Order: sequence, then C-alpha cells, then structure tokens
Amino acid sequence: NAGVTQTPKFQVLKTGQSMTLQCAQDMNHNSMYWYRQDPGMGLRLIYYSASEGTTDKGEVPNGYNVSRLNKREFSLRLESAAPSQTSVYFCASSSQGMGDTQYFGPGTRLTVL
Amino acid sequence: QQPVQSPQAVILREGEDAVINCSSSKALYSVHWYRQKHGEAPVFLMILLKGGEQKGHEKISASFNEKKQQSSLYLTASQLSYSGTYFCGFVGGSARQLTFGSGTQLTVLP
Repeated sequence: NAGVTQTPKFQVLKTGQSMTLQCAQDMNHNSMYWYRQDPGMGLRLIYYSASEGTTDKGEVPNGYNVSRLNKREFSLRLESAAPSQTSVYFCASSSQGMGDTQYFGPGTRLTVL
Repeated sequence: QQPVQSPQAVILREGEDAVINCSSSKALYSVHWYRQKHGEAPVFLMILLKGGEQKGHEKISASFNEKKQQSSLYLTASQLSYSGTYFCGFVGGSARQLTFGSGTQLTVLP
C-alpha cells in the first residue's frame, strides 16, 4: 500500500518550458488536491477534484491546469513555467472531501530558471 | 484569508509543554492540525469539528472555540520526535476550502 505517490521528485525547468506533475493514490479516495508550499507561506491550494470527473480552482490556480484522469490519478500541468512557480508541490487525497483527513504525497521540488 | 498562527517559532527542552494558537476572521466549520518534518510531507494529527470538543493524540491535544474562531494545539511533556513545523488549517466560509496557516516551527532540544 504505497499511499500517495508523486513523480518526479525533482525537476529543473527553463522559463517558458512546460511539464506535467503526476500523482496517484491507491487508497480508493474520492477527492484529490494539489498544493504548493513556499517558504513562510504554508500550503496553498492550487486545484482540487472533489470526485472523479470534477475539478475546481483553489486559492492560486493561475498558470496551472489539472486533469483527473481516473479515480486514482490527478495531474498538474504547467503550460509555460515562470520563476514565480518555483516551489515544492504536494499532492494529497482524502476519502470524502475537504473536511476529511488528507494524506500527502512526498512532494516534487520544482525550480524554474 | 489565511489563518493566523502564533508563535512563529518555539524552542523547548525535552519534557516541557507548548501551546500553538490559530485564529481566523471568518466563521469556521472545522479545524485541522498537521505536522511536517523537514524535507517531508505534512502528516495529519487531528480534526476538530464545531462544538468545542477537545481531541487527543498521544500527548498532543487540541481545542476549538467556534465562537472566537480560534484553535489551540497543546503539546505536553515534549519529546524530541515532536520537532517539526505545525500547521493549522481551517475549513469555513462560503468556499469550504481547507486553508492553512503559515506554520509554527517547534524545536525540542535534549
């Protein structure tokens, strides 16, 4: 039982490049989330998917897109990376929505030059 | 709006107690507490729902005062393993999204 897995663990991009962060969970959870964590800012919600087939914007969605591929997988895409998107990205999942316990993946450390 | 956490940092000796506070300017539905060790993912500690009930987890407990829109995390007889950054998160307002505070860095020294 791996829980929440994320790939890649580290990534360096140049400004303007695109990339997709992958997330998968094996806990049969309905809801999945993408957060970014910057020093001194805590965790900020980018997008979430309350259930398969739905996605909604969080606090900081600009510059990102998401896809809930199936119940297990939720990807985050940066179409044209900017230095302001340098951050650590965490994927999380929960059984039933935002008020439920969230289980976090190990994170992806992204640097945009 | 982000919950306000205090203090930003605290240093303790093993066996000492600590309190971390969290407050919000909007009506709350629930409060969540997580701990994150350096370089790792946040790990769930507890959730408190409206009603002011105090929850416990080992020697870590928390309270939720819904009238004051505040929550406090109590760490008693701190252990070295308690070191890390503690985040509160609030679910409330019309969006019902989980919004995290900026964290409290707790260091427990031997």
